[in-house]
Amino acid sequence: QSALTQPASVSGSPGQSITISCTGTSSDVENYDLVSWFQQHPGKAPKLLISEVTKRPSGVSSRFSGSKSGDTASLTISGLQPEDEADYYCCSYAGSSTWVFGGGTKVTVL
Amino acid sequence: EVQLVQSGAEVKKPGESLRISCTGSDYTFVNSWISWVRQVPGKGLEWMGRIDPSDSYTTYSPSFQGHVTISADKSISTAYLHWSSLKASDTAFYFCARHPPKAVIGVDFWGRGTLVTVSS
Repeated sequence: QSALTQPASVSGSPGQSITISCTGTSSDVENYDLVSWFQQHPGKAPKLLISEVTKRPSGVSSRFSGSKSGDTASLTISGLQPEDEADYYCCSYAGSSTWVFGGGTKVTVL
Repeated sequence: EVQLVQSGAEVKKPGESLRISCTGSDYTFVNSWISWVRQVPGKGLEWMGRIDPSDSYTTYSPSFQGHVTISADKSISTAYLHWSSLKASDTAFYFCARHPPKAVIGVDFWGRGTLVTVSS
């Protein structure tokens, strides 16, 4: 059960759109539409942004959207804002009631 | 709103035992699995394992199987993470997180975390 692969860092200017990828295997991302995305600011608990690949919980900005193709899931942040600067993690169901996280991506707003 | 209240920070010596807790409120505790997640300072999130509080059935990541024990007391809506013999490498933040009632969906609400420091 290896960690999902995310880019270490992604950056963008305010107002731009950025996309964070999350690559897994046929045992996790590819096999289940059960990928979640979390945002974590320094010193804080993670916050759910997206569940089940594309579903946005109540209260989460529509600027955050998720998608998946094959073994890779993606999180897109549109209209990048300074408060979006944080760490982002994907997480996938991996079967047999187990889950696996990605290594995390640091988003910098230039 | 769903709340998960975790126990306070701990400082322990190698070889000591420890149990940290996570108490759920404002939802039906037995209807939702609880997962534990480790975060070494400055590093990423690692899923450790989960428990079904209704029957205490557990599953673990292979990376943590045998190193920690997850338990729950449904009568007081509390889940636990237990070490019998701590190592310095166990120094980390530990988060509990709740799965929505449709269990295989990933977690939604998180506790604030418990910092465990293991040092001689």
